[in-house]
Amino acid sequence: GAVVSQHPSWVICKSGTSVKIECRSLDFQATTMFWYRQFPKQSLMLMATSNEGSKATYEQGVEKDKFLINHASLTLSTLTVTSAHPEDSSFYICSARGSSGGRETQYFGPGTRLLVL
Amino acid sequence: GESVGLHLPTLSVQEGDNSIINCAYSNSASDYFIWYKQESGKGPQFIIDIRSNMDKRQGQRVTVLLNKTVKHLSLQIAATQPGDSAVYFCAENRGKLIFGQGTTLQVKP
Repeated sequence: GAVVSQHPSWVICKSGTSVKIECRSLDFQATTMFWYRQFPKQSLMLMATSNEGSKATYEQGVEKDKFLINHASLTLSTLTVTSAHPEDSSFYICSARGSSGGRETQYFGPGTRLLVL
Repeated sequence: GESVGLHLPTLSVQEGDNSIINCAYSNSASDYFIWYKQESGKGPQFIIDIRSNMDKRQGQRVTVLLNKTVKHLSLQIAATQPGDSAVYFCAENRGKLIFGQGTTLQVKP
């Protein structure tokens, strides 16, 4: 089946620094990628939708200047958390939508756990 | 606002019993729903999906039922196993996936 990878799987950083998270679709081309954030014991909240080669569309309440999204190719999207603060500590999950095995569906990455000290 | 929500936050079942996880949605125009399983520290895993032109869809040990009249869908897991322990989310596809709050399934041996 289709595979989506994320790197790193976990990261610890100091408050005020920036962190970049990569999301790759390994065996299919993702026309659209999504970034979600999940706090403990809560659901996944969509942060933004990105299409290859165009600007991301952010959900209401998500700061686009703080969460920079780049979708430079059909297999790679990056999320950069700029000037991270402890409240940004969360589980970030990317999802890629594309066709695999003749069927279009949406696949999720394993997530990146961010801890801001 | 519109949302996809779940009735119960935690469901505890005996190994071998059947499990039923419920989900309510509010957007009557929704026409595609997906159930996901999320194990601790991992990303969601696709289980089964259903379109609004269907009332029922079956997979391996899982069945999804859709009742459009009351805007409700359920996930039935037959012969629940310890490996089924996880959080289950229903998601509504509106061009982007909107997730419900999740139900934690605990399987007692």
